[in-house]
Amino acid sequence: KAGVTQTPRYLIKTRGQQVTLSCSPISGHRSVSWYQQTPGQGLQFLFEYFSETQRNKGNFPGRFSGRQFSNSRSEMNVSTLELGDSALYLCASSLEVADYNEQFFGPGTRLTVL
Amino acid sequence: AQSVAQPEDQVNVAEGNPLTVKCTYSVSGNPYLFWYVQYPNRGLQFLLKYITGDNLVKGSYGFEAEFNKSQTSFHLKKPSALVSDSALYFCAVRDPYGNNRLAFGKGNQVVVIP
Repeated sequence: KAGVTQTPRYLIKTRGQQVTLSCSPISGHRSVSWYQQTPGQGLQFLFEYFSETQRNKGNFPGRFSGRQFSNSRSEMNVSTLELGDSALYLCASSLEVADYNEQFFGPGTRLTVL
Repeated sequence: AQSVAQPEDQVNVAEGNPLTVKCTYSVSGNPYLFWYVQYPNRGLQFLLKYITGDNLVKGSYGFEAEFNKSQTSFHLKKPSALVSDSALYFCAVRDPYGNNRLAFGKGNQVVVIP
């Protein structure tokens, strides 16, 4: 089975721009979560989607948004980029929500904001 | 709120020696605990989990972890470390309230010295 894929792998943007990141979960997985990883804050939860519905949201401003499609693929969008948004954005998929299965992570998208 | 703590920033160990990476947790209710490993420029790779049952959990690549409820700990162990085990290790606890949200520790850099 193919793993979680994320595109693009690397992205360079300037302040004020917006960006869309994409995540394709493992086939059959219906839950997709997003995390932001920075050296200072570590790994922080952004949001989780299941059956095209946002189930949970982390403590991030409204500039961060996401969605999930009927095929479970997910996108996250960051508008009005700030320098502090530079991070590795990780997507994780799981079979279901609120079960005991582990999440599988993609390789991440490295976003650099100049 | 659920949280985990990884008290050490870096763990240095000689190749062939036992490796221990420490993690303590704070949860309301039953803990669902996970260990992940991250290699440079890669996503997180699942090692093992504790949901219920035996306190000693065996995982991938020879790793195991011991769940200790009285000490609220979930330390990761490997009897004989390899140079290839050098990586960043994260302990995580899952939110029990009907979603897959993970709260991560800050991570431990493990350096295995040849």
